[in-house]
Amino acid sequence: GAVVSQHPSRVICKSGTSVKIECRSLDFQATTMFWYRQFPKQSLMLMATSNEGSKATYEQGVEKDKFLINHASLTLSTLTVTSAHPEDSSFYICSARKGTVLYGYTFGSGTRLTVV
Amino acid sequence: AQTVTQSQPEMSVQEAETVTLSCTYDTSESDYYLFWYKQPPSRQMILVIRQEAYKQQNATENRFSVNFQKAAKSFSLKISDSQLGDAAMYFCAYSDDKIIFGKGTRLHILP
Repeated sequence: GAVVSQHPSRVICKSGTSVKIECRSLDFQATTMFWYRQFPKQSLMLMATSNEGSKATYEQGVEKDKFLINHASLTLSTLTVTSAHPEDSSFYICSARKGTVLYGYTFGSGTRLTVV
Repeated sequence: AQTVTQSQPEMSVQEAETVTLSCTYDTSESDYYLFWYKQPPSRQMILVIRQEAYKQQNATENRFSVNFQKAAKSFSLKISDSQLGDAAMYFCAYSDDKIIFGKGTRLHILP
């Protein structure tokens, strides 16, 4: 079955630094990747959608300069949290889709980011 | 804009019994997909079942089945013969392009 690898699973960074999270589709080409944020005991909130080779489309209220998304290849998307602050601490999840919704979504295992 | 509503924040069921989780959604689209995902404590999202809106027949996957009422925009999940391993957060989701999740229902299984 389709597998998405997300790294790192946990990261602690100092306030003001940047941190990069990788999302890789291991056995399929992901034309579209999605990034979500999940606060404790809450649902997944879509942050942005990225198509390979195109600029990401951000959801309303998501700061595109703070959350940089790159989808340079059909198997890799990255989320960079720039100038991180404690309020950016959260659980970030990526998902990948091979084509249309017909092919379904495959989720990464998530990254717990703690900014100290 | 599309919305997904899960009105039951928490539910409990006795092991081996049947439980139904509710979900309603709102959309003006006619072609879309609906999903139920399970999120255990590991927080890995696991697909439980999916339903294509153009299919009238309700989807079934072993002990999991849905009651899809397109006109009512309702998509409930029935879990039969509940097992301890079913304890998790369950999210109902809608997608016609990007995927939108409900707030979730935490399911407890009582031994």
